Amino acid sequence: EPEVTQTPSHQVTQMGQEVILRCVPISNHLYFYWYRQILGQKVEFLVSFYNNEISEKSEIFDDQFSVERPDGSNFTLKIRSTKLEDSAMYFCASSGDTGTGGYEQYFGPGTRLTVT
Amino acid sequence: GNSVTQMEGPVTLSEEAFLTINCTYTATGYPSLFWYVQYPGEGLQLLLKATKADDKGSNKGFEATYRKETTSFHLEKGSVQVSDSAVYFCARRYSSASKIIFGSGTRLSIRP
Repeated sequence: EPEVTQTPSHQVTQMGQEVILRCVPISNHLYFYWYRQILGQKVEFLVSFYNNEISEKSEIFDDQFSVERPDGSNFTLKIRSTKLEDSAMYFCASSGDTGTGGYEQYFGPGTRLTVT
Repeated sequence: GNSVTQMEGPVTLSEEAFLTINCTYTATGYPSLFWYVQYPGEGLQLLLKATKADDKGSNKGFEATYRKETTSFHLEKGSVQVSDSAVYFCARRYSSASKIIFGSGTRLSIRP
């Protein structure tokens, strides 16, 4: 069964450094999302992406964040200058199956980001 | 505002017990409703869904019914197993491609 994959599974970085989290969505999906989950808290929406542009973003998604779909398979989240409070699990999701017409969001396993 | 509220955990039950995890939502209109499950060390998996009033979603012995009158989508299972131990998230979505809004999650632990 097709699945969303994310790399790395765990990223440790120092405050102020840039990180790029990578996702490979399901191949025939059209919509892509990033969510995050701070330890012990709820899963929060960050941004959605469709047709090579951001379709919606939350208040959390400020200027230090950006997303990109650099080729036909990858979807990346860049955090320009990480802060301690960016430490969280980041989930990628995709939906919009061009084959079945379904819109279920399928989530990747997550990347745990630790900012020290 | 538009939100999802679910019962706080942790919930600890014995194997074969009956499970209910309450979930209510506040929203304008008629969102689609979901339950996602997160097993230890894993990502989020869709457990079940309902897209309109009175729909019942079911999967792996779990059920939830979309109740418009009470704006609820409670998760139930008649006989839980140790393998059901996980965190369960109630969630809603307005349109096909829109963001998902999650509840705070309920940690479920099942004792053998």
